[in-house]
Amino acid sequence: SQELEQSPQSLIVQEGKNLTINCTSSKTLYGLYWYKQKYGEGLIFLMMLQKGGEEKSHEKITAKLDEKKQQSSLHITASQPSHAGIYLCGADGRGNTGKLIFGQGTTLQVKP
Amino acid sequence: EAGVAQSPRYKIIEKRQSVAFWCNPISGHATLYWYQQILGQGPKLLIQFQNNGVVDDSQLPKDRFSAERLKGVDSTLKIQPAKLEDSAVYLCASSLGPSGRALHFGNGTRLTVT
Repeated sequence: SQELEQSPQSLIVQEGKNLTINCTSSKTLYGLYWYKQKYGEGLIFLMMLQKGGEEKSHEKITAKLDEKKQQSSLHITASQPSHAGIYLCGADGRGNTGKLIFGQGTTLQVKP
Repeated sequence: EAGVAQSPRYKIIEKRQSVAFWCNPISGHATLYWYQQILGQGPKLLIQFQNNGVVDDSQLPKDRFSAERLKGVDSTLKIQPAKLEDSAVYLCASSLGPSGRALHFGNGTRLTVT
């Protein structure tokens, strides 16, 4: 079965700094989803990447999919306290089931 | 558009008791999922419905967990009897279809089993 490994597990950055979170899959990635979760709340959809080399941006968050490396990265530019939370990557193992397998999450703290 | 609604938000029960969670998906979303998220881990799929039919329940502990979506809209997830290891957040999600669509999540029900 497919597994997703996120790194780092946790991250503390100073406001204004850039940061990157990685998500590595044990199998081929057919689609990669990034979500954000605040403690005690549900997951908020950020971006979906479906093609190798694809890159998407939303405000100061950019995600890329490297299909050959079976990896995706999430980059935040000029971090703000509002970026704090848990970032989760999810993948559809066969690309057509709709069922997402998730990584363990990366907890981000942004110090003002 | 109204999001995925879940209730209750919190539930505390003793082991061996039973509990039920309710989910109302986004209007028009045919696919509904129940996930279990244990503290410090990513969500794990329990069951997937397409309209009122079960697509995948391979990860559902069927000796104690059951779920239904009788009219193809809202859904209930039940645990009977609960164990200490069932303490988790139970998340409901919905999507327009089973392929290539983002899942939209509710705020979850936090279950504590004592």
